[in-house]
Amino acid sequence: DTEVTQTPKHLVMGMTNKKSLKCEQHMGHRAMYWYKQKAKKPPELMFVYSYEKLSINESVPSRFSPECPNSSLLNLHLHALQPEDSALYLCASSQEGGQRANTGELFFGEGSRLTVL
Amino acid sequence: GEDVEQSLFLSVREGDSSVINCTYTDSSSTYLYWYKQEPGAGLQLLTYIFSNMDMKQDQRLTVLLNKKDKHLSLRIADTQTGDSAIYFCAESPGMMRFGAGTRLTVKP
Repeated sequence: DTEVTQTPKHLVMGMTNKKSLKCEQHMGHRAMYWYKQKAKKPPELMFVYSYEKLSINESVPSRFSPECPNSSLLNLHLHALQPEDSALYLCASSQEGGQRANTGELFFGEGSRLTVL
Repeated sequence: GEDVEQSLFLSVREGDSSVINCTYTDSSSTYLYWYKQEPGAGLQLLTYIFSNMDMKQDQRLTVLLNKKDKHLSLRIADTQTGDSAIYFCAESPGMMRFGAGTRLTVKP
C-alpha cells in the first residue's frame, strides 16, 4: 500500500463550524505533514509530525489544530475559519523526519478542498 | 533565504519534447525532486536525483543537474496530452522547498 488517503475530498463550512480533515497512511512512515495550497501556488508547509510528536509548526493560526493519534493517522481540526482559509489541504508522509530533517521524498494524498463561506 | 525558481508556463505540441527548468540557491541541497500535479489532485513524485549525479533517465523522463550553476531540468520526450499538468521542482535536505510550479500545456 503506497497511498496516502485523505477525507473528505471536499468540505464546505461556515465560519462558526468545527470540522476535521483526516489523513491515513500504512507505509510505516514516521513523518507526516500538512500543507496548504492556494490556487496557482506551491504547497506551503503548515505542520510536521515526527514519530507522533509535533516537530514543526510554521506559525499557523490556532484556528488550525493538528493531531496525530498514532503513527498512521493525522488529523487537522478546523474551528472559526476565515474565507481566506479556503484552499486545498494536502497531507504527506515520508519515511523519517525530524527537526528540519527530511532525507527522502514526500508521498502526497489527493488533498481535501476546503471552502469557507 | 533559500529559493527555488521556475518559469511559470510552457506550451508544446504533442509529440515534441518538453524541457522544464529550475534553479535553486541552497548549495547544500542533497536531493532534488520533480513532482507532477494534475488539476484538483495531490502531488505525484515523478523522479528525483541525488546531488552527486549529473543525469538520471527514467523512460520518457530525463533529469539533468548542473550543480555548479544550481540548475535542474526535466525533459519529457514525446510529450502527450496526458502530460499537461503543473510540474514542481523541489529540494532538500531541510524541509522540502518547492518552486512555484510550471504549468505545461500540450496542444494536439
